[in-house]
Amino acid sequence: RKEVEQDPGPFNVPEGATVAFNCTYSNSASQSFFWYRQDCRKEPKLLMSVYSSGNEDGRFTAQLNRASQYISLLIRDSKLSDSATYLCVVREDTGRRALTFGSGTRLQVQP
Amino acid sequence: DVKVTQSSRYLVKRTGEKVFLECVQDMDHENMFWYRQDPGLGLRLIYFSYDVKMKEKGDIPEGYSVSREKKERFSLILESASTNQTSMYLCASSPSSLAGGLNEQFFGPGTRLTVL
Repeated sequence: RKEVEQDPGPFNVPEGATVAFNCTYSNSASQSFFWYRQDCRKEPKLLMSVYSSGNEDGRFTAQLNRASQYISLLIRDSKLSDSATYLCVVREDTGRRALTFGSGTRLQVQP
Repeated sequence: DVKVTQSSRYLVKRTGEKVFLECVQDMDHENMFWYRQDPGLGLRLIYFSYDVKMKEKGDIPEGYSVSREKKERFSLILESASTNQTSMYLCASSPSSLAGGLNEQFFGPGTRLTVL
């Protein structure tokens, strides 16, 4: 079983739509959670951290449910430029320097 | 801006060759990482280093070794390349663990390696 699981998609949505991705993680001791974004043929970049109380950054909202061990990302008012692969990322404990990446969910926003 | 550079964008090697992938970062980061990325499998950690001459195995170290002689440079070595090592290789760096420095990793552009 993968440590971080995501629906690979693709999610094809029209401009202006609201879209949500979920991700589940297997290690209940996981401490830190993030969403990274990876454009086609580019490197991953941090999109946002995910906090226990949920957090928002413009059109993006991230939520964490520790009891069910899942993380979500909501994108409102989708733009063409949001087309990318979104990677769910977990750091398993405070002593571990490495991050564990999900395989990503591909989003295609269409005009 | 943090800059992580990798020596090649594309590389083609033959089975059995020794392959060196170089990564350099210019932000004085303590931590450096090597991943490979394959379709459906995501990024998998090969090795990482938290200091000069220090290294730790990641999740898939078999068939690879690393070298970190200088803080800014982290090399991935394939001692004898095999076809199943054909992949996209990504290097990353991150600051120290203080003040959440571990939480963001900065990636290089990647090296697409093909082993024939």
